[in-house]
Amino acid sequence: DIQMTQSPSSLSASVGDRVTITCRASQGIRNYLAWFQQKPGKAPKSLIYGASGLHSGVPSKFSGSGSGTDFTLTISSLQPEDFATYYCQQYNSYPYTFGPGTKVDIK
Amino acid sequence: EVQLVESGGDLIQPGGSLRLSCAASGFTVSSNYMSWVRQAPGKGLEWVSLIYSGGSTYYADSVKGRFTISRDNSKNTLYLQMNSLRAEDTAVYYCVRFSGSYGFDYWGQGTLVTVSS
Repeated sequence: DIQMTQSPSSLSASVGDRVTITCRASQGIRNYLAWFQQKPGKAPKSLIYGASGLHSGVPSKFSGSGSGTDFTLTISSLQPEDFATYYCQQYNSYPYTFGPGTKVDIK
Repeated sequence: EVQLVESGGDLIQPGGSLRLSCAASGFTVSSNYMSWVRQAPGKGLEWVSLIYSGGSTYYADSVKGRFTISRDNSKNTLYLQMNSLRAEDTAVYYCVRFSGSYGFDYWGQGTLVTVSS
């Protein structure tokens, strides 16, 4: 199985900060990497597919990059509604696996 | 508008069975890939199962042989039949549409399954 790791596991940031989260796959997954945002008590929301594609309705402050084994999610200017947990996921091969999550909270 | 509405979650004893349903609207389940993802209380996300439009199915090792994914085209509904339930199956179960190279795009609100005596 492909193992997904994320760093950091949590971070504290201020409104307006630029935030970057890293995701690493234990083996190459081409660009079959997705990012999700989840707020407490809510279903995950799909943000990015194919490492860098934005799902419909997702604001352009979110961006993704990477290929192979190393990926990043960047939030260009953190807003109050962005405080949440972010998960990466590979869908290159079964079983599809998620990273452990990165919790972004208010400094 | 795409909507996914799960139901069927309950408190069930270890060894018991339960069937989850996911009613879809705004698209045709049989023409899409569909998946179940779960989240144990306070934990991360875990992919459970997927069904292709052609009917092929895939499962996580943790549920293989115990869970069965299926769909009813006439009802535009996805199912997850869960047998031989264990305490570690306790989780919120989400129904998700999988759009191939576009990944998982739409999520339901989830339904809670609690396995406990």
